[in-house]
Amino acid sequence: KAGVTQTPRYLIKTRGQQVTLSCSPISGHRSVSWYQQTPGQGLQFLFEYFSETQRNKGNFPGRFSGRQFSNSRSEMNVSTLELGDSALYLCASSLDAGGQAVYGYTFGSGTRLTVV
Amino acid sequence: KQEVTQIPAALSVPEGENLVLNCSFTDSAIYNLQWFRQDPGKGLTSLLLIQSSQREQTSGRLNASLDKSSGRSTLYIAASQPGDSATYLCAVMDSNYQLIWGAGTKLIIKP
Repeated sequence: KAGVTQTPRYLIKTRGQQVTLSCSPISGHRSVSWYQQTPGQGLQFLFEYFSETQRNKGNFPGRFSGRQFSNSRSEMNVSTLELGDSALYLCASSLDAGGQAVYGYTFGSGTRLTVV
Repeated sequence: KQEVTQIPAALSVPEGENLVLNCSFTDSAIYNLQWFRQDPGKGLTSLLLIQSSQREQTSGRLNASLDKSSGRSTLYIAASQPGDSATYLCAVMDSNYQLIWGAGTKLIIKP
């Protein structure tokens, strides 16, 4: 079966611009989570969506937002980009959300965002 | 606040050796613990998932154990191969249903 698909794989943006990243979960998975990975901070949780609703949110500024569509695909948006937003953004899907995520998470290959 | 620590940060061993990676967490109130591997510049590959009620999980040459009361998990890799070289990360799902991550152990298997 197809895995978690993230597009685009690589992205270069200028400070002040905005960017939208896309994630298509494994078929049947309704939970989608987003993570930011940087060399200095490691993996940090951004937010989780389940059935088009944001279930959890990490400690990121309001410039980071997301949404989930009825087909479980999710998008993440970052507005007014800063140099510090350069990172690998990872999306993960799970069969269910929260305490029901007993099947664990499957990750995509990520989107490498570079802000110049 | 849940904190996850992985020791060592880096490990280099000759091919064929058995090895153990460690993961510790400060709050035993977890739903599950998952081990991942990450190759340079790539996403994460799930290796093993252990539910809070379980003690261990095995997949091929990998065995992961969980001792919730002491806040520890180990990942045992048998008969290591150069292809096992990667960064290994552990993550616990905490009481808020969030994954809390360790910083990882960078493993190098020398041919």
